[in-house]
Amino acid sequence: AQSVTQPDIHITVSEGASLELRCNYSYGATPYLFWYVQSPGQGLQLLLKYFSGDTLVQGIKGFEAEFKRSQSSFNLRKPSVHWSDAAEYFCAVGAAEYGNKLVFGAGTILRVKS
Amino acid sequence: GAVVSQHPSWVICKSGTSVKIECRSLDFQATTMFWYRQFPKQSLMLMATSNEGSKATYEQGVEKDKFLINHASLTLSTLTVTSAHPEDSSFYICSAQTGRGDEAFFGQGTRLTVV
Repeated sequence: AQSVTQPDIHITVSEGASLELRCNYSYGATPYLFWYVQSPGQGLQLLLKYFSGDTLVQGIKGFEAEFKRSQSSFNLRKPSVHWSDAAEYFCAVGAAEYGNKLVFGAGTILRVKS
Repeated sequence: GAVVSQHPSWVICKSGTSVKIECRSLDFQATTMFWYRQFPKQSLMLMATSNEGSKATYEQGVEKDKFLINHASLTLSTLTVTSAHPEDSSFYICSAQTGRGDEAFFGQGTRLTVV
């Protein structure tokens, strides 16, 4: 069965510090990988996506993620966090073989302290 | 990026009534739309996949007679929660994509509260 694991429910970082949010997946097909951000009471905004090619993906707002097939991981990183980055982050996996349905991780809530 | 509009953004209804939520792709044609449900402090759970002109495919455990999905055009899908009960209170989010392997664009969500 397809599954996505985000091991960290909450993460707190200081403003200006670096950030890494972890995502591991278990999938029976070639995956498409996404990171979304959700502010309270809002929908989801796509940060970045990986379909194929270069395994280091650049996204919006200074985020990047690296696909590591050997580790089944797609961790999200940002070198310097801003207070406005405080939100909930979801990793999601899809595949054409599964009708492009997305399976979401449980989410990681990011808190930024000044 | 493409815009998906969901309406209403929030609704309060009485137990036993039905509520319709609309999901529109504003600047692209969506061959497939997905409906998700999100409980507080939880992740999104896929409810159903909706393809234009055909019946929706529901995920296991989702009552198709309770959550009616219609995808009558390439820009509109609706979710109707029939005979709503307090346990149906949740955040419902739709997404739309143009084709296989494409990015899914999400609506802003609908907060349903059943009293």
